[in-house]
Formats: sequence, C-alpha cells, structure tokens
Amino acid sequence: SQQGEEDPQALSIQEGENATMNCSYKTSINNLQWYRQNSGRGLVHLILIRSNEREKHSGRLRVTLDTSKKSSSLLITASRAADTASYFCATDSPEGAQKLVFGQGTRLTINP
Amino acid sequence: DTAVSQTPKYLVTQMGNDKSIKCEQNLGHDTMYWYKQDSKKFLKIMFSYNNKELIINETVPNRFSPKSPDKAHLNLHINSLELGDSAVYFCASSHSGINEKLFFGSGTQLSVL
Repeated sequence: SQQGEEDPQALSIQEGENATMNCSYKTSINNLQWYRQNSGRGLVHLILIRSNEREKHSGRLRVTLDTSKKSSSLLITASRAADTASYFCATDSPEGAQKLVFGQGTRLTINP
Repeated sequence: DTAVSQTPKYLVTQMGNDKSIKCEQNLGHDTMYWYKQDSKKFLKIMFSYNNKELIINETVPNRFSPKSPDKAHLNLHINSLELGDSAVYFCASSHSGINEKLFFGSGTQLSVL
C-alpha cells in the first residue's frame, strides 16, 4: 500500500543549525502534508503542498515537492530547542482511497 | 477551547475487558477519523466517518466498533481487549475530507495487561 517513508529516522543537530528531513512515497498523489508531534501529544499540521506546487514556505519551514522523484523535503531553518519533535509526512491518493497515509516519522532532537 | 478532545488520556485495563474512548470536535468539521499509533510511532488509519456515515474501515478486527451519534462525535468501543491492542489511539477531524489538513486530539494511551 502507498506509504510515505521519512529519512532519516532520527536526526540530532545543534540549536541554530538547519534541519532537513525527507519523505518518499510510492504512487501519485493529490497533495502531501507534513505534521509535527511533540512527545505525548497529538499531531499538529504544518504545511500542505499540492501536486502542482514545487515549493512552499511557512515561517522557518520550507517544503519542496518533486513529483517526478516521488519525494518531498522539509527544511527547518535556524532550529530551536522547541523544534524537538517527531515529523511525519502524509500522502493521499487520487485513486479514491480517501485516506491519508502517514510514514513512520523522523525524530528530530535540537541540542542547546 | 480544545478543538478535538478525546477521553480518557490514559486507559489501563485487563485483557478481555471492554472499553470505550470518546472523541468530540467543536470545529464544525464533517469528517472524523480514528488512527492507531504503535510503539514504533507508525500511524495507521482505522476508521473514517463523514457526516455520521462510515466511509473507511481499514481491516480492523470487528472487536473495534466506532459509533458516531452526530457529526461532532466519534466514539470507539473495543470488546475483548487483547495485549496487541496496546497503543496510542488518536481521534482527528477535517473540514470535508482528506485533501485538507487534519486536526488531531491529544491521544489515548491504552495499555492492556
């Protein structure tokens, strides 16, 4: 079944550095979404990028989408300790499955 | 006000028991979901309801029975709990479908002993 896979599974960087996480998926999509999950909390939506878009920004977040490679990346610039969380990509399917499929996430740790 | 609220936050119970998790959203959304997150953080959809009607039932054992009394509520009842049911269960909602962002509850940590 279609599934986003995040890479790397875990990432540890120093505060102030940029963090890049990648997501690959298997079939064509209508849109791809990124979510953040803090420890012990629910997922929070970050950005939705549609299949006809190549790049989107929101504050310190930058998302790119390459449909030819079936991949997306999430860049967090000037990271802060509060960015420590798990980040998930989620993809839909235009074939009508009507479900959002999540990857296993990237665990990001920002060291002060 | 919490947009998507689910109760209880923690549920510890014995194998074989029956338990329920409640979910309510005050966003006026038409679609609600139940997701299960396992110990490896893998998040998998279980059910999806649109305006009280079931639209996705994702190969979940029929010990799990969702109930949507109105479009603002989607409860999950689990019969004959098994050890493998231990996980975090998340309720979520969206305005009208999966092409929009999902709003998640804070999760229910279910531990079956």
